[in-house]
Amino acid sequence: NAGVTQTPKFQVLKTGQSMTLQCAQDMNHNSMYWYRQDPGMGLRLIYYSASEGTTDKGEVPNGYNVSRLNKREFSLRLESAAPSQTSVYFCASSGHRGEKLFFGSGTQLSVL
Amino acid sequence: ILNVEQSPQSLHVQEGDSTNFTCSFPSSNFYALHWYRWETAKSPEALFVMTLNGDEKKKGRISATLNTKEGYSYLYIKGSQPEDSATYLCALGTGTASKLTFGTGTRLQVTL
Repeated sequence: NAGVTQTPKFQVLKTGQSMTLQCAQDMNHNSMYWYRQDPGMGLRLIYYSASEGTTDKGEVPNGYNVSRLNKREFSLRLESAAPSQTSVYFCASSGHRGEKLFFGSGTQLSVL
Repeated sequence: ILNVEQSPQSLHVQEGDSTNFTCSFPSSNFYALHWYRWETAKSPEALFVMTLNGDEKKKGRISATLNTKEGYSYLYIKGSQPEDSATYLCALGTGTASKLTFGTGTRLQVTL
């Protein structure tokens, strides 16, 4: 019953450091997403992958890159972290477009 | 950027009260409307996905309706219980619906 597994759960970075958030799903879903959650704002889409081999920008892609490594895995990379990227990050997946999302447990990231 | 609005922002009710929230969205290019329940320290979980004008969905004491022509959805909770305390998110899918736009949520607190 793993569902969507997201690592790490917590991370503290210094400005300029890089890191990769990992996400894997075991539900054979086609679509995967990365969202960020900031106080007073809804979940905002960073990048998504509608199917294996494709990635597209969401609402707030600047400062991030993604890789759809295979059907199971979708990683999010911060090349040079900035304090504005302090947030809670959620990975999600869905079977097909329009279907409900299954979320990972979230990553709380602080950039000092 | 689509404007998905939820009201009220927060709500405090007594156990046994019935309550409802509103999600408003632009009606053009509609594909699907999602509702999620998000408990503190957990991940959002899907309640309903609605695609047709006039759709009504029910899950236990929680139900939802959809009006795509006027651009709104209602979520109802009958006989609120403390375990209903959570943030309720709606999300709009448009066009190809490979991505969703979330509202900022309604935070419900149910007390004894």
